[in-house]
Amino acid sequence: AQSVTQLGSHVSVSEGALVLLRCNYSSSVPPYLFWYVQYPNQGLQLLLKYTTGATLVKGINGFEAEFKKSETSFHLTKPSAHMSDAAEYFCAVSEAGRRALTFGSGTRLQVQP
Amino acid sequence: EPEVTQTPSHQVTQMGQEVILRCVPISNHLYFYWYRQILGQKVEFLVSFYNNEISEKSEIFDDQFSVERPDGSNFTLKIRSTKLEDSAMYFCASTERDTQYFGPGTRLTVL
Repeated sequence: AQSVTQLGSHVSVSEGALVLLRCNYSSSVPPYLFWYVQYPNQGLQLLLKYTTGATLVKGINGFEAEFKKSETSFHLTKPSAHMSDAAEYFCAVSEAGRRALTFGSGTRLQVQP
Repeated sequence: EPEVTQTPSHQVTQMGQEVILRCVPISNHLYFYWYRQILGQKVEFLVSFYNNEISEKSEIFDDQFSVERPDGSNFTLKIRSTKLEDSAMYFCASTERDTQYFGPGTRLTVL
């Protein structure tokens, strides 16, 4: 069965610093990969996705992620954190031929002034 | 911008009662989903629905759960006899191609 690992349940950065949120998946076949963000008391909002093609994917709010097949990773980055980025971030995958998403356990990002 | 909507935002019920959670997917989407998130835990897939039937379901989606598209716009999740462990945030989603768009969720509290 597919699994998704997000290293670090809590990440704290200073405003203006690099954001790096890690995601690794287990699959012998490259799946579709997604990052979602959840602000307090809100639903899940799609940040970005990888399906096929270019391995560096750009999303909303200045975030990007790179699919690395050899490392089975899809880490999320943002060059400069903003206070408004404070939220919970979920990595999710869907296997080829299935539509169900498997989510990681989430990483709560704190941004310090 | 079209969005998935869910009602109610918060539902409180007594153990053993039936609850129906409602969702209005994005109008031109064809696949619909329910997920749940128990407090402090992962978001978990429950069921997917296409062409008026269940296309996939997880082990969580047992006989006490059912889904229905009663008309052209609503998509419902029914829990027949709620248990304490059903307390969670329930998210509805709908798909355009390969991307699932989520609603804001219904927080179900079972007392």
